[in-house]
Amino acid sequence: DSGVTQTPKHLITATGQRVTLRCSPRSGDLSVYWYQQSLDQGLQFLIQYYNGEERAKGNILERFSAQQFPDLHSELNLSSLELGDSALYFCASSEEAGQGMIEQYFGPGTRLTVT
Amino acid sequence: ILNVEQSPQSLHVQEGDSTNFTCSFPSSNFYALHWYRWETAKSPEALFVMTLNGDEKKKGRISATLNTKEGYSYLYIKGSQPEDSATYLCAFNQAGTALIFGKGTTLSVSS
Repeated sequence: DSGVTQTPKHLITATGQRVTLRCSPRSGDLSVYWYQQSLDQGLQFLIQYYNGEERAKGNILERFSAQQFPDLHSELNLSSLELGDSALYFCASSEEAGQGMIEQYFGPGTRLTVT
Repeated sequence: ILNVEQSPQSLHVQEGDSTNFTCSFPSSNFYALHWYRWETAKSPEALFVMTLNGDEKKKGRISATLNTKEGYSYLYIKGSQPEDSATYLCAFNQAGTALIFGKGTTLSVSS
């Protein structure tokens, strides 16, 4: 158990809908990262928050947004969902702001299915 | 576009065999290289974080080496066990950039 929690575990929704994925980082970690794992793709970095502020942005669609709250939990909002958004969404956390020097701790993921 | 390549894509070995995988990444502006182990229905778990050329790390029967000048890292598993069956992910970054993950090498160990 990494100490990172994600809810829900599974989500099935229709095209055009909006969903919110939630992540609570490991105790003491200030950075939260969101990744998307689609079929036949490696983990794709979406966005990073550090202590409530956006720190780094990857290939995140404009239809997607995220935020980190004062209690450090984070939410990833996906709107106007398309079939291609079906994927496994991971949240990870780490102590520091900069990526690379230390490991990231991954949550169990949220499996999103758009029908 | 920066890319991380892992080979082979999948591998099947017998219990007791030793095996190794390769991770290739751009050699310029290297900052760090991560190895993660991802078991089915679980979340990726960090094995090693490597930052220096020539780094060698070991955890039990698993070890890794790093060559930043030529842009590759090897992961070795000695005496593979069925519980080693997993997908092994490699991730790389340059200073100030996000981790870029490879697609992984899926290892299956038969008893």
